[in-house]
Amino acid sequence: QKEVEQNSGPLSVPEGAIASLNCTYSDRVSQSFFWYRQYSGKSPELIMSIYSNGDKEDGRFTAQLNKASQYVSLLIRDSQPSDSATYLCAVNWQNTGNQFYFGTGTSLTVIP
Amino acid sequence: DTAVSQTPKYLVTQMGNDKSIKCEQNLGHDTMYWYKQDSKKFLKIMFSYNNKELIINETVPNRFSPKSPDKAHLNLHINSLELGDSAVYFCASKGFMNTEAFFGQGTRLTVV
Repeated sequence: QKEVEQNSGPLSVPEGAIASLNCTYSDRVSQSFFWYRQYSGKSPELIMSIYSNGDKEDGRFTAQLNKASQYVSLLIRDSQPSDSATYLCAVNWQNTGNQFYFGTGTSLTVIP
Repeated sequence: DTAVSQTPKYLVTQMGNDKSIKCEQNLGHDTMYWYKQDSKKFLKIMFSYNNKELIINETVPNRFSPKSPDKAHLNLHINSLELGDSAVYFCASKGFMNTEAFFGQGTRLTVV
């Protein structure tokens, strides 16, 4: 059984601070990793994807991947109230039927 | 033009009834999924189909039966609905290799 774990939160940060979201996964054969954001009552939407070890930056968002430690994280710099949402980590195991598993989600609140 | 569309958006029904949720994608993807999201926001995978073939059935009760008439459609039929089936059900589709999953709008099922 493949597992994806996230720090459950809820996480609260003041506006302008850095929010740090973490995710671990159980299988070393994992190939690609994704962070989704989900606003209440809406569908998950992709923020970032990462496939190689290291950092990947996109605007205020930075994804970090460490395959040896089976760990992926998302940093949100200069957090805004509009970033308040649930953040979902997803792992794709392509060699076993394109499986796409989600973590338990972390609720983030940015306080103005 | 909606990429992944599912209907209905809301479904309220009595215990013991049978209901269906429809999903269609126009992205040309080979893989489609059904997820169940409970009140704690955990997106649990239920089924995965690749080119009309069932790949994943994550210990879902037999009352849930997916049907894929072609690779663009994956419908979910639920027999003998129970209170515990109340949740938001998401359909998603995904291409091969390191690509993201795209989600439908979700169906909020309420069993009374």
